[in-house]
Amino acid sequence: GQQLNQSPQSMFIQEGEDVSMNCTSSSIFNTWLWYKQDPGEGPVLLIALYKAGELTSNGRLTAQFGITRKDSFLNISASIPSDVGIYFCAGLPLITQGGSEKLVFGKGTKLTVNP
Amino acid sequence: KAGVTQTPRYLIKTRGQQVTLSCSPISGHRSVSWYQQTPGQGLQFLFEYFSETQRNKGNFPGRFSGRQFSNSRSEMNVSTLELGDSALYLCASAPGGNQETQYFGPGTRLLVL
Repeated sequence: GQQLNQSPQSMFIQEGEDVSMNCTSSSIFNTWLWYKQDPGEGPVLLIALYKAGELTSNGRLTAQFGITRKDSFLNISASIPSDVGIYFCAGLPLITQGGSEKLVFGKGTKLTVNP
Repeated sequence: KAGVTQTPRYLIKTRGQQVTLSCSPISGHRSVSWYQQTPGQGLQFLFEYFSETQRNKGNFPGRFSGRQFSNSRSEMNVSTLELGDSALYLCASAPGGNQETQYFGPGTRLLVL
């Protein structure tokens, strides 16, 4: 089945630094999503991308849908302590088995921000 | 508007037992999806229900089953629990058929001893 390779697995940064993480796949995806999960909570959608090449911002967060439709990245600028959490990419494949859409998730990037 | 709620939040079971988890979607949402989250495998899709019908299923054994009621509330059942079933089980609801519009609940943390 489709898999998403998300990197890095973890990051330790200083407050104020910029962060970049990405997801790649050997398959083509129709939609890319980025989520953040805080401890003890479910993932919360940050940004959704629907077109190849699309660049979308949400405050200090910027994400792009790769032109090959096989990758996406998320940037966080000027990190603050509340950015701590696990960030997941997810994608809806172009072609799915059984003809139904199923979200595929990356394994997450754990972000630690030192004040 | 209340968010997705899941009960119980924490559960401890022993091998061989069965467990039922409950999910109440956001009011008006008709789609409920279930995911298993573990440190090693990440988030893995279990199944999706829409208007009381299972519309999609992941690659999990038959010990994992679910159902949806007419009020869109959903339950997930795991029979003959194994140690490897220890995980955070997340439920997500969506208004219609688009998984990209889904909202996640806080999850049920299941520990199998």
